[in-house]
Amino acid sequence: AQTVTQSQPEMSVQEAETVTLSCTYDTSENNYYLFWYKQPPSRQMILVIRQEAYKQQNATENRFSVNFQKAAKSFSLKISDSQLGDTAMYFCAFMKHLIIQGAQKLVFGQGTRLTINP
Amino acid sequence: ETGVTQTPRHLVMGMTNKKSLKCEQHLGHNAMYWYKQSAKKPLELMFVYSLEERVENNSVPSRFSPECPNSSHLFLHLHTLQPEDSALYLCASSQDVILWGQIYMNTEAFFGQGTRLTVV
Repeated sequence: AQTVTQSQPEMSVQEAETVTLSCTYDTSENNYYLFWYKQPPSRQMILVIRQEAYKQQNATENRFSVNFQKAAKSFSLKISDSQLGDTAMYFCAFMKHLIIQGAQKLVFGQGTRLTINP
Repeated sequence: ETGVTQTPRHLVMGMTNKKSLKCEQHLGHNAMYWYKQSAKKPLELMFVYSLEERVENNSVPSRFSPECPNSSHLFLHLHTLQPEDSALYLCASSQDVILWGQIYMNTEAFFGQGTRLTVV
């Protein structure tokens, strides 16, 4: 079974700073997806960034980028020039690339509560 | 309208009540999910419906009963709940691509805003 671990329950930085959230996972799969989801106080889970395991290039989305280390099974999220609106819970998640109908879908980590201070 | 809509946003119910949570997706997806989010615990997958067929039931107590009448709607019927069932219930949808046989390719899930359930 797959597991996802986020070792930082809470983090806090000043606006405009760069912050990195860590995530490690365990799997025997070779092809899979990794995601970072953001859950603001509105509670809706919003996809921030996605990485396909077979791609060596790290995914980027504007101020958000990942450091994907497949051998180390590490998938950290870097937020550059942080903004007040980035305050939220951030969840790392794993998903198999191919499944047999009925198999597990997304596996989530415990989450990191990120606060951006003015 | 947002892609995935859940109602109600908040629900308080007694242990003897019967209520239902509703989820509707406007994304044309073919798979829908119920997740439970409790404090200080990872999100727990409860049920998966793919092509309107239930394909996953993660040992969820029978006091939770899902229903998927069509690919756009998903319900979670609740009865005789316990206080420990208080949590945020999240609905999600995705578009699964059937490659061959029962081999599916996953895509990312889109979530609703959840229903905050309190059992008293």
